[in-house]
Amino acid sequence: GESVGLHLPTLSVQEGDNSIINCAYSNSASDYFIWYKQESGKGPQFIIDIRSNMDKRQGQRVTVLLNKTVKHLSLQIAATQPGDSAVYFCAENRGFGSSARQLTFGSGTQLTVLP
Amino acid sequence: SQTIHQWPATLVQPVGSPLSLECTVEGTSNPNLYWYRQAAGRGLQLLFYSVGIGQISSEVPQNLSASRPQDRQFILSSKKLLLSDSGFYLCACQDSAYGYTFGSGTRLTVV
Repeated sequence: GESVGLHLPTLSVQEGDNSIINCAYSNSASDYFIWYKQESGKGPQFIIDIRSNMDKRQGQRVTVLLNKTVKHLSLQIAATQPGDSAVYFCAENRGFGSSARQLTFGSGTQLTVLP
Repeated sequence: SQTIHQWPATLVQPVGSPLSLECTVEGTSNPNLYWYRQAAGRGLQLLFYSVGIGQISSEVPQNLSASRPQDRQFILSSKKLLLSDSGFYLCACQDSAYGYTFGSGTRLTVV
């Protein structure tokens, strides 16, 4: 079946540098994408989302880019801080059932911020 | 916004024992509720979802079952646990047309 996958399982960056986490998706019908941050032993937390009618969306220190042509999604974190160390998941949203929507998650990228 | 309560936070159970994990939601009514499982170093796998009381859909065949006895209560159960049931279990609530809010999870170790 179709799923969301990530290019790299781990990423290490120096504190203060920018981080880029990539994600490939395969369902061209997906219309909504979400990035989650999951710290060890905790549930995923929403970071930023983007709809398929957009190419770019910015938040506080984070930017999500969507390239529908190649079905690629990326999360950019500016001035990475130690608190950014976590696993980052992209999720693809598709509809199912009468009202429920399912998120399909990638395997995640472990971001480690080095001092 | 919604608040999701999951308990217990950690659980160690012997093989063959029963399981009951509970999830309750505050701040919303008639939510869509989900149970996910996460193996170590892996992504999230959808186990069950519910669009209303008594309505349960299973995404994968498994040793687990789910029930929704009340609008804001979602329960994950097993009659006899297997070693392969170990993992991190997450309850989620759909809080908009698209987004999810996750609980803090339950770490289950079957020994």
